[in-house]
Amino acid sequence: ETGVTQSPTHLIKTRGQQVTLRCSSQSGHNTVSWYQQALGQGPQFIFQYYREEENGRGNFPPRFSGLQFPNYSSELNVNALELDDSALYLCASGGAGTANTGELFFGEGSRLTVL
Amino acid sequence: AQTVTQSQPEMSVQEAETVTLSCTYDTSESNYYLFWYKQPPSRQMILVIRQEAYKQQNATENRFSVNFQKAAKSFSLKISDSQLGDTAMYFCASEGTSGSRLTFGEGTQLTVNP
Repeated sequence: ETGVTQSPTHLIKTRGQQVTLRCSSQSGHNTVSWYQQALGQGPQFIFQYYREEENGRGNFPPRFSGLQFPNYSSELNVNALELDDSALYLCASGGAGTANTGELFFGEGSRLTVL
Repeated sequence: AQTVTQSQPEMSVQEAETVTLSCTYDTSESNYYLFWYKQPPSRQMILVIRQEAYKQQNATENRFSVNFQKAAKSFSLKISDSQLGDTAMYFCASEGTSGSRLTFGEGTQLTVNP
């Protein structure tokens, strides 16, 4: 148990729709990162939030956006869904600041299927 | 930019035996961290072991140890006394000093056979 929970666990959308994925971090963790993991591949960094501000972004288009809230919850929003967005989306929370200690705690992920 | 390469898509080992998973990386950072994560079928990524690049001593966590060869940019994971619960996908990852952004390899599926 990592103390990081994600919802929903599975969902199916159609191309062009919008989706919101949610994450609840460990209390006290003020850094949250989102990763996209396509089937059979390693996770790819989408972006990171620190104290409710975006603090680093990977090679993902602007239709991927996020929010972080003061209550240690966060959201990943994806607009205009494409077939290639089908993947497991992982949320990871960490401790104070952006210190690169590697102490990231992952949730079980949300499996998104785009038809 | 950082890259991580795992050249073994699948490996298998008999219970109680030892297995080594390979990883190579490339980075322009002067200081960085390296990790091995385990992802069982439950999908939750779990940290196995961590190595700070400026430390010469290889990290060890119970049955898990690494062979860190900085000049060769190699970071292998050795699992001793393999257990059935070790069956999982294993990812090698790196992180630079610019923040908590992990770069993962493609993963190695390890199966421990009874």
